[in-house]
Amino acid sequence: NAGVTQTPKFQVLKTGQSMTLQCAQDMNHNSMYWYRQDPGMGLRLIYYSASEGTTDKGEVPNGYNVSRLNKREFSLRLESAAPSQTSVYFCASSEGVGQPQHFGDGTRLSIL
Amino acid sequence: ILNVEQSPQSLHVQEGDSTNFTCSFPSSNFYALHWYRWETAKSPEALFVMTLNGDEKKKGRISATLNTKEGYSYLYIKGSQPEDSATYLCASGGSNYKLTFGKGTLLTVNP
Repeated sequence: NAGVTQTPKFQVLKTGQSMTLQCAQDMNHNSMYWYRQDPGMGLRLIYYSASEGTTDKGEVPNGYNVSRLNKREFSLRLESAAPSQTSVYFCASSEGVGQPQHFGDGTRLSIL
Repeated sequence: ILNVEQSPQSLHVQEGDSTNFTCSFPSSNFYALHWYRWETAKSPEALFVMTLNGDEKKKGRISATLNTKEGYSYLYIKGSQPEDSATYLCASGGSNYKLTFGKGTLLTVNP
């Protein structure tokens, strides 16, 4: 049982490049989330998908887009990467609102 | 309180000591309070989710309480062990799926 799987684990981009971070869960969870973790700050929600077919903005959505491809997969896209998007990105899933979230191992993204 | 705040920021204890941390959160529009344990080089792992005022939850030597009227939760660890060393995160959420995380309390348990 893999839980939440994120790919890639590490990536270095140049400013202006685009990239898609992949996330898949095998727990049949309805809800999925993307967070970013920056030094000295708590995890901040970028986008979430309450259920298959829906997506909504979180606290820091600017510069990102998401796709809930199916119930298992939720991808995060950076269309034109900026140095301010250098961060560690975590994907998570849960059965629904108010339920514990299960996190992937994170993607460390550096933008030069 | 507008944000989720955790104290202390860090804590060093000796093996066998009992300890506790605090999480303060906005009491308006409250739906659930989450606690997570985050070990270095791993991903956050859920400990508890609490929703009702007065809730108490326990998992082994770790327990948590919730006061939604005044907007705080305590996490207790009894008889700390070196393997308890981790960052403990709390997060508060409304019914809209959005969780606001605190910055965490870094616990170091010295053998």
